[in-house]
Amino acid sequence: KQEVTQIPAALSVPEGENLVLNCSFTDSAIYNLQWFRQDPGKGLTSLLLIQSSQREQTSGRLNASLDKSSGRSTLYIAASQPGDSATYLCAVTVTGGGNKLTFGTGTQLKVEL
Amino acid sequence: GAVVSQHPSRVICKSGTSVKIECRSLDFQATTMFWYRQFPKQSLMLMATSNEGSKATYEQGVEKDKFLINHASLTLSTLTVTSAHPEDSSFYICSARHGRETQYFGPGTRLLVL
Repeated sequence: KQEVTQIPAALSVPEGENLVLNCSFTDSAIYNLQWFRQDPGKGLTSLLLIQSSQREQTSGRLNASLDKSSGRSTLYIAASQPGDSATYLCAVTVTGGGNKLTFGTGTQLKVEL
Repeated sequence: GAVVSQHPSRVICKSGTSVKIECRSLDFQATTMFWYRQFPKQSLMLMATSNEGSKATYEQGVEKDKFLINHASLTLSTLTVTSAHPEDSSFYICSARHGRETQYFGPGTRLLVL
């Protein structure tokens, strides 16, 4: 059974700092990996999707990497802003699993002024 | 990007009543819809997968008679929580997908059972 873990569970940083969020998964047979953002009491916003054949994806200040063999992904946020404060979730789609997403436990990020 | 809506966004009901939550894909046809449940400060747990016109597939531990799912059209799926109890209070999120493309998530429905 695929298990997805995110470290740290919570993170507080001053504005402007670069930061890295970590995601690990136990089964490397994945179709893709996604990073989502969730604001309190809201749904999910997809940030980046990395196919299993890719190593990284970039969007603006966000960069996500994928090392499928070691079961790890990182989300790098450059020059953090208070508006980045949210919970970040990673999720993997397992091959042959009906394309279902398995979510990580999330990292709650707070960027302070 | 594609838009998925949910209605209602928040519902409070008495114990023993049934509650229906709607999930709609507004600008695309969703061949598959997913229903998730999220407890405070926890991640999303998949409850069931539904394909248009067929019965939903429930995840292990999810009572199909408790959580009735209907995917009657390519743009609408409903989740009915039957005889709701306080332990059913949670945040319910749906997502929709066309073919094997990306899942698009709804804004969620907060259910509080008194």
